[in-house]
Amino acid sequence: AQSVTQLGSHVSVSEGALVLLRCNYSSSVPPYLFWYVQYPNQGLQLLLKYTSAATLVKGINGFEAEFKKSETSFHLTKPSAHMSDAAEYFCDVTTSGTYKYIFGTGTRLKVLA
Amino acid sequence: GAVVSQHPSRVICKSGTSVKIECRSLDFQATTMFWYRQFPKQSLMLMATSNEGSKATYEQGVEKDKFLINHASLTLSTLTVTSAHPEDSSFYICSARPQTGNLNEQYFGPGTRLTVT
Repeated sequence: AQSVTQLGSHVSVSEGALVLLRCNYSSSVPPYLFWYVQYPNQGLQLLLKYTSAATLVKGINGFEAEFKKSETSFHLTKPSAHMSDAAEYFCDVTTSGTYKYIFGTGTRLKVLA
Repeated sequence: GAVVSQHPSRVICKSGTSVKIECRSLDFQATTMFWYRQFPKQSLMLMATSNEGSKATYEQGVEKDKFLINHASLTLSTLTVTSAHPEDSSFYICSARPQTGNLNEQYFGPGTRLTVT
């Protein structure tokens, strides 16, 4: 079975500072990993995905994530936070054949002016 | 491409009534659709998986007689909340897995806010 752990339910950063949102996964088979962003009362928007190709994945809005198998991690980063990045971020995992997404508990990012 | 719509976006109903939520894949065919439930400030919890033309598979703890799912075509799945109660108030999100392409990817709808009074 797969699982995802997002460390830190709330993260606050200053505008212009580095954003780091942590995600660790557990899977007995090669995983597919995703990061989504959710704005209030809206659905999920895909930021980026890891599907066993390049370990450093670049996504939209300047976000990127690195798949580290040795650390079972897929942390999301952005060099410089913008006010518009304030939202809820979800990491999730699936594996080939199951097609079920297992979501982390989410991290609420707050950007301080 | 890969757009999923949900209708309605918001619905308010009285306790004891039934509510139907539609999920449509607009520009692709979806073999499988998923229904999630999200309580305020919480993550998405998978409720059920529906495959076109067959019965839905419900996750443990989800009442299949209360949450009726129909997946009659490759572009439409419906979730009916029967005899709704205030505790059913939640944000319901569907997703669709395309029939071709990256089979591990799902595309999410914008969600439906259900309020039961």
